[in-house]
Amino acid sequence: ETGVTQSPTHLIKTRGQQVTLRCSSQSGHNTVSWYQQALGQGPQFIFQYYREEENGRGNFPPRFSGLQFPNYSSELNVNALELDDSALYLCASSLGGTGANVLTFGAGSRLTVL
Amino acid sequence: QKEVEQNSGPLSVPEGAIASLNCTYSDRGSQSFFWYRQYSGKSPELIMFIYSNGDKEDGRFTAQLNKASQYVSLLIRDSQPSDSATYLCAVIANAGNMLTFGGGTRLMVKP
Repeated sequence: ETGVTQSPTHLIKTRGQQVTLRCSSQSGHNTVSWYQQALGQGPQFIFQYYREEENGRGNFPPRFSGLQFPNYSSELNVNALELDDSALYLCASSLGGTGANVLTFGAGSRLTVL
Repeated sequence: QKEVEQNSGPLSVPEGAIASLNCTYSDRGSQSFFWYRQYSGKSPELIMFIYSNGDKEDGRFTAQLNKASQYVSLLIRDSQPSDSATYLCAVIANAGNMLTFGGGTRLMVKP
């Protein structure tokens, strides 16, 4: 059984650029959630995808967007990067479209915006 | 008021002692409660979850839930230096699918 894998692990961008982060869900999981974790804080919910549809969204602007593919892998896209977007981006997969299921997190993608 | 609140710590306990980590939440309709452990530079890993009032034990860990007081805690018995990490409390509101995290409590277990 494979776990949740994310890529890239680290990346550096400049303000105004765009970034795409990728996530492969754990085998058998059909739901992917994305979280942003700033240094010293708890993870903040960005959105969740279930069966290729957005299934809930946190308090993030529209420049944060996502996709889920038929194989349940997912992408997080952030446009017009700002300095405050510097954070660890965590992908978590689970089974089922409800939050009552346990999340399994990937190792994260650490984004630095200069 | 934050939805899920934790004391940021650090909470320092000697090796072998009981560490008590606390969390309060604001949404009275919350149904599911989780404790995650996060080592520095790593991703969160699930310790345990609890849905019903009372205690739930798993090895050295005990989660306690009191919905009337909107309070959930995690006890770690026989604390080890390897338990030193940040502990995140997370809550799912009624009929929701969003896991809301607290800011975490940093635990330091001293040999």
